Amino acid sequence: KQEVTQIPAALSVPEGENLVLNCSFTDSAIYNLQWFRQDPGKGLTSLLLIQSSQREQTSGRLNASLDKSSGRSTLYIAASQPGDSATYLCAVRANSGAGSYQLTFGKGTKLSVIP
Amino acid sequence: ETGVTQSPTHLIKTRGQQVTLRCSSQSGHNTVSWYQQALGQGPQFIFQYYREEENGRGNFPPRFSGLQFPNYSSELNVNALELDDSALYLCASSPAGRNTIYFGEGSWLTVV
Repeated sequence: KQEVTQIPAALSVPEGENLVLNCSFTDSAIYNLQWFRQDPGKGLTSLLLIQSSQREQTSGRLNASLDKSSGRSTLYIAASQPGDSATYLCAVRANSGAGSYQLTFGKGTKLSVIP
Repeated sequence: ETGVTQSPTHLIKTRGQQVTLRCSSQSGHNTVSWYQQALGQGPQFIFQYYREEENGRGNFPPRFSGLQFPNYSSELNVNALELDDSALYLCASSPAGRNTIYFGEGSWLTVV
């Protein structure tokens, strides 16, 4: 059974700081890995998607890496801003049979960027 | 804007009642999945529908059921509600042959 762990559970940083969020998963047989952002009481917004054959993806100030063999991914946020405050969720996608691609999520890291 | 619309946004039900949550996806999104997110937890996969048939299910009892319609809308039905069913229910859809997944804003269900 796939398990996804995110460390730390919460993080508070001053504005402008660079930061790293960590994600680990127990089964390396994944199809892809995604990072999502969730604002309080809201749905999920996809930030970055890394295919199992890729090592990293970049979008603006965000960079995500994937080491499938060790079951780890990191999300790097450069020059953090108060608007980055949210919960960041890591999810892995595996082919669970019959064409079903279910996502297994971690519990998230709650980020607060202090002005 | 993800193009995935869920209704209602909030509702309160009594233990033992039944509830139907609705989701409307973009045209061409023929895969839809539902997730349950309890407070402080990550979303948990309930089930997935592809072309109106269930083709994947998580660790949820049969009282959680669903339907997908030809017009790219879908429903999540929960019978015999329990207090632990209180959560945010998220609908997600994907276009055919793509990895991209789009989530709705969710329906908050409170069972009292």
